[in-house]
Amino acid sequence: QVQLVESGGGLVKPGGSLRLSCAASGFTFSDYYMSWIRQAPGKGLEWVSYISSSGSTIYYADSVKGRFTISRDNAKNSLYLQMNSLRAEDTAVYYCARGLGGYINYWGQGTLVTVSS
Amino acid sequence: EIVMTQSPATLSVSPGERATLSCRASQSVSSNLAWYQQKPGQAPRLLIYGASTRATGIPARFSGSGSGTEFTLTISSLQSEDFAVYYCQQYNNWRQTFGQGTKVEIK
Repeated sequence: QVQLVESGGGLVKPGGSLRLSCAASGFTFSDYYMSWIRQAPGKGLEWVSYISSSGSTIYYADSVKGRFTISRDNAKNSLYLQMNSLRAEDTAVYYCARGLGGYINYWGQGTLVTVSS
Repeated sequence: EIVMTQSPATLSVSPGERATLSCRASQSVSSNLAWYQQKPGQAPRLLIYGASTRATGIPARFSGSGSGTEFTLTISSLQSEDFAVYYCQQYNNWRQTFGQGTKVEIK
């Protein structure tokens, strides 16, 4: 069955960096585009970034553009999110998500990122 | 950016009753609209895509309708496991956006 397992979350100071990883299994990873979606505590869902199946097309939300970098390693069935210059408003659960035709049909369990001094 | 507005923010319903949730887009998204269910401490779960197609394993009591800018999620007879927060999402372009959510609570 499809599994997406995020890791790398934690507590970081404002201005700091963190790298999230997502290990995918149960499907042919290189066939699917992937996204990161986040949810601040008690808030709604916010799309963060998208990467095509080959990695050749990438998009970012305006709120993270220039600070976050999405990447993937199809040989390792892994998705990554490098987060730099972190701000308090980046505090959220970050979900790794598999897309199909635009909607998200599989979600990971999420990893919590807390930005605080 | 396409803004998605859901109403109401909270819906109080008794088990067995019908629930109707609305989602409005600030511009047309055609039928590129999905609905998700989220329970506390869990990841969202896909319910509906293409505005009206149920995802695999989703019970028939969930139905979606609409196109363009006005969409509806209907739960025909609420079960105890349906009390949750529901989000709509437009994916008409790469800059996908979500509504703020509707919480369905027990009356």
